[in-house]
Amino acid sequence: QKEVEQDPGPLSVPEGAIVSLNCTYSNSAFQYFMWYRQYSRKGPELLMYTYSSGNKEDGRFTAQVDKSSKYISLFIRDSQPSDSATYLCAMSAAGGQAGTALIFGKGTTLSVSS
Amino acid sequence: NAGVTQTPKFQVLKTGQSMTLQCAQDMNHNSMYWYRQDPGMGLRLIYYSASEGTTDKGEVPNGYNVSRLNKREFSLRLESAAPSQTSVYFCASRMGQGMDGYTFGSGTRLTVV
Repeated sequence: QKEVEQDPGPLSVPEGAIVSLNCTYSNSAFQYFMWYRQYSRKGPELLMYTYSSGNKEDGRFTAQVDKSSKYISLFIRDSQPSDSATYLCAMSAAGGQAGTALIFGKGTTLSVSS
Repeated sequence: NAGVTQTPKFQVLKTGQSMTLQCAQDMNHNSMYWYRQDPGMGLRLIYYSASEGTTDKGEVPNGYNVSRLNKREFSLRLESAAPSQTSVYFCASRMGQGMDGYTFGSGTRLTVV
């Protein structure tokens, strides 16, 4: 079993839809969770960062962590064509330690049509 | 404010050739990383450097070597390129303190024929 599982999609939605992206993980020591967005032929960019369980909201984006279920989600409200990208989840056990490497999911490709 | 700069952006190598991928960051970050990204495989860690003077293997280090030249620069070397090393290579850096994520470069697209 991979440490981090993420459905690669592709996921296609109409503009304005609510999008739900998810990852599951197996390592109970993970406590730092991130979502990255990657546009085609670009490097990933940090979108959201959460620690431990709970929700975090930033504009149209909401990140949720359920450590009891080892499940994290990213919700996008009022999706826009500019949200079309690949979304990667990432996590680590010790986010603050120098050199700690993130473990990434394979990414979900999202397409939002106008 | 350049962030993480990778050179070259594209490269075609013949099997058996060697080359060095360069990475430099101007954010005074302590930790630097090399990942490769392949279709269906996601981002896989090759090597990382927690701080200047240290390097460690990641998930897929075979066929690669690295050098942390100074705090700013972290290079990845392919001594004898193989077609299996055809990939997109990303360099990333982070401060390594508190809740901080990676800053990625724009990638190097490498094809080995």
